[in-house]
Amino acid sequence: DGGITQSPKYLFRKEGQNVTLSCEQNLNHDAMYWYRQDPGQGLRLIYYSQIVNDFQKGDIAEGYSVSREKKESFPLTVTSAQKNPTAFYLCASSVYRGATNEKLFFGSGTQLSVL
Amino acid sequence: AQTVTQSQPEMSVQEAETVTLSCTYDTSESDYYLFWYKQPPSRQMILVIRQEAYKQQNATENRFSVNFQKAAKSFSLKISDSQLGDAAMYFCAYRTGTYNQGGKLIFGQGTELSVKP
Repeated sequence: DGGITQSPKYLFRKEGQNVTLSCEQNLNHDAMYWYRQDPGQGLRLIYYSQIVNDFQKGDIAEGYSVSREKKESFPLTVTSAQKNPTAFYLCASSVYRGATNEKLFFGSGTQLSVL
Repeated sequence: AQTVTQSQPEMSVQEAETVTLSCTYDTSESDYYLFWYKQPPSRQMILVIRQEAYKQQNATENRFSVNFQKAAKSFSLKISDSQLGDAAMYFCAYRTGTYNQGGKLIFGQGTELSVKP
């Protein structure tokens, strides 16, 4: 079955620690995205990538980093510079990177909490 | 920059009744796409319906339909014959129609819909 796999489902971070959230897709999609969801708020874009070895900052990129070395993978690192990392993180992908009504496919998310 | 606003944090509907969720957006673009996503307690994001701005006809998907008012920048979702399984958070989302600006979506704050049996 094709889809997006996020792991782990739950993650705990200690003070000063970097953690990496995994996102893998087997849909052969060009574009991938990371969103953050806080209670009572909509999804906010952290980073997105339209093609391998290229990515752009979203609205709330500070304290996060990404890489896109393979088409299938778009890991997100939450660095110690992110002072309020507790949130639900969603990874998504889409077929085209341009203007289209193609929907985003979402993973099942990772809940990150600070110890 | 584009923004999406959902002014109803919570809504409630009786089973089998009809409910309308509101969404307004702000943009200077003429070409764009609008979406409604549903997020049930499982937190999985599910596409409900989508609308192309260049189409005047309102999109429909079974019990779900939209009222797209381009001049007013309004994009409401109507759910007919509400079912218990419709209970979820609903997000309105905008995507630019400008090529190579990425397929990213801009989301509203969400509306929590509860369905009463």
